Amino acid sequence: GAGVSQSPSNKVTEKGKDVELRCDPISGHTALYWYRQRLGQGLEFLIYFQGNSAPDKSGLPSDRFSAERTGESVSTLTIQRTQQEDSAVYLCASSARFTVWFFGPGTRLTVL
Amino acid sequence: QKEVEQDPGPLSVPEGAIVSLNCTYSNSAFQYFMWYRQYSRKGPELLMYTYSSGNKEDGRFTAQVDKSSKYISLFIRDSQPSDSATYLCAWGWSGAGGTSYGKLTFGQGTILTVHP
Repeated sequence: GAGVSQSPSNKVTEKGKDVELRCDPISGHTALYWYRQRLGQGLEFLIYFQGNSAPDKSGLPSDRFSAERTGESVSTLTIQRTQQEDSAVYLCASSARFTVWFFGPGTRLTVL
Repeated sequence: QKEVEQDPGPLSVPEGAIVSLNCTYSNSAFQYFMWYRQYSRKGPELLMYTYSSGNKEDGRFTAQVDKSSKYISLFIRDSQPSDSATYLCAWGWSGAGGTSYGKLTFGQGTILTVHP
């Protein structure tokens, strides 16, 4: 596809359940980022991938959060034992040059 | 002190008005400056990008950077209803030692409404 895609677009889950969020970056983009955006807030950095490795995981809020990337392409963000404070829009972005980032439409997660 | 402070708004202006959006930052390591526009239920899209102090113009949009004051602004001339969105300022830096992955720090966003 022409842009960054994310799935699902919306996810409603019960507290305590695990969720997986998927990101398909632009083909050829080696850098991939996950951000979280809470209602009325700016973007909060979660994790950065260069290729399949994650040199910066400093933004992951707790050990319930993990992410992986395979084939220097698709990335999955997993949240275990979801809590209500995890409710947010999760945004993925990719970049070829580290300075121009392209964002996906986000996954809106609601934890009941 | 937050690394990035953005005028919270919201702003509501009539069509044709000049809009000024402002952010300040505290980390002097920031090297490049961006403005993103985010429509409701969409991901942010890059509007303007600059490395240096001064003004950069692109159509109706002008980004102004003052590194000495750690202040950036976005001006929108002849605002249109289609400009109604959330505007996010962002900063990045390349880092030292080859770790130049350009992690961005964002302001909290300003909601702009341009009414006909």
